Amino acid sequence: ETGVTQTPRHLVMGMTNKKSLKCEQHLGHNAMYWYKQSAKKPLELMFVYSLEERVENNSVPSRFSPECPNSSHLFLHLHTLQPEDSALYLCASSQDQGVNQPQHFGDGTRLSIL
Amino acid sequence: QKEVEQDPGPLSVPEGAIVSLNCTYSNSAFQYFMWYRQYSRKGPELLMYTYSSGNKEDGRFTAQVDKSSKYISLFIRDSQPSDSATYLCAMSADTDKLIFGTGTRLQVFP
Repeated sequence: ETGVTQTPRHLVMGMTNKKSLKCEQHLGHNAMYWYKQSAKKPLELMFVYSLEERVENNSVPSRFSPECPNSSHLFLHLHTLQPEDSALYLCASSQDQGVNQPQHFGDGTRLSIL
Repeated sequence: QKEVEQDPGPLSVPEGAIVSLNCTYSNSAFQYFMWYRQYSRKGPELLMYTYSSGNKEDGRFTAQVDKSSKYISLFIRDSQPSDSATYLCAMSADTDKLIFGTGTRLQVFP
């Protein structure tokens, strides 16, 4: 398997549930990212990990909790989400952190909060 | 004012047309410019990457950057129905953070 793989592709959850999104990259990259994509809004960077260390947390509410156990895997743990959190959550990776490093995206998890 | 402005479209053109997609920006420190293509139900994929001003060509695609006008363009020649997608511009200064436009939806009809 190659590229960036995200599971699940779709997730429907209630506001009191706890769930996790998973991202796996098979590109040997050192940096991984979580983005939120809402309709008619630009991609919003949520978290950046470089060599398994979080290097950026973009003022994201604490109901989103990232985890990077190794350079190939990235999780986004979700709890007590709000309806406005419904969106497409995209994972990306790049060789290293830096704007001259192209980011490769997964196909996202479509999250719906009831 | 948004840092990056992009017309959401949809832009509808016949097959074979030349397509022009554009973004304007306000931060004069931006010097890395990218175009991503996003098909429905897929993640964005990098199409073009340019540094500073000038043109870059790759097959039917040409990216232009005009830093004096704070304006970037993506041209698609001989457009095909398979080019139907949302096109996102993205840019950055010498920081690590990419700023994206909202995307322009392009429809190429046969």
